[in-house]
Amino acid sequence: NAGVTQTPKFQVLKTGQSMTLQCAQDMNHEYMSWYRQDPGMGLRLIHYSVGAGITDQGEVPNGYNVSRSTTEDFPLRLLSAAPSQTSVYFCASSYSASGNEQFFGPGTRLTVL
Amino acid sequence: RKEVEQDPGPFNVPEGATVAFNCTYSNSASQSFFWYRQDCRKEPKLLMSVYSSGNEDGRFTAQLNRASQYISLLIRDSKLSDSATYLCVVNKADKLIFGTGTRLQVFP
Repeated sequence: NAGVTQTPKFQVLKTGQSMTLQCAQDMNHEYMSWYRQDPGMGLRLIHYSVGAGITDQGEVPNGYNVSRSTTEDFPLRLLSAAPSQTSVYFCASSYSASGNEQFFGPGTRLTVL
Repeated sequence: RKEVEQDPGPFNVPEGATVAFNCTYSNSASQSFFWYRQDCRKEPKLLMSVYSSGNEDGRFTAQLNRASQYISLLIRDSKLSDSATYLCVVNKADKLIFGTGTRLQVFP
């Protein structure tokens, strides 16, 4: 049982490049979410999904896309990277939307030059 | 005003001390409350859920005051290994809102 896995662990992009951050969980959780963490800002919700085929926007969705074609996977796409997207990105999953423990992946540290 | 507010600290306490963290939240409709712990450069992990009647887990005690929209975490007999950032988390509909965290440093 690997829990929540994220790849890559580290990434450096140039402004304007696109990329996909991968997230997978093997706990059969319905709810998955993406957060970014910046110094002094705490964790901010980017996008979330309550089940396969269903996604919704969080607090800071601009510049990011998501899809949920399977229960296990929830990739986050950066469409055209900007320096303001330099951050640590965490994926999380749980059995339900808000009443259960969220399990986090180890994070992806992204730098946009 | 932030939806979940915490004193960022740091709280520097000696081993064996008792330390308390507070958190206030703005959404009176919130139903789920948690404390998460985050070690430096690691992912957050659930420390404990917070129930209306208050709850205890070993050296940790969490309290909820719905009328004042206030959550607390008490750590007794602090250990060096308690050094971390403690995140207050509150639900808003089907989303979780995280506070910015309170940093605790326990010294020998």
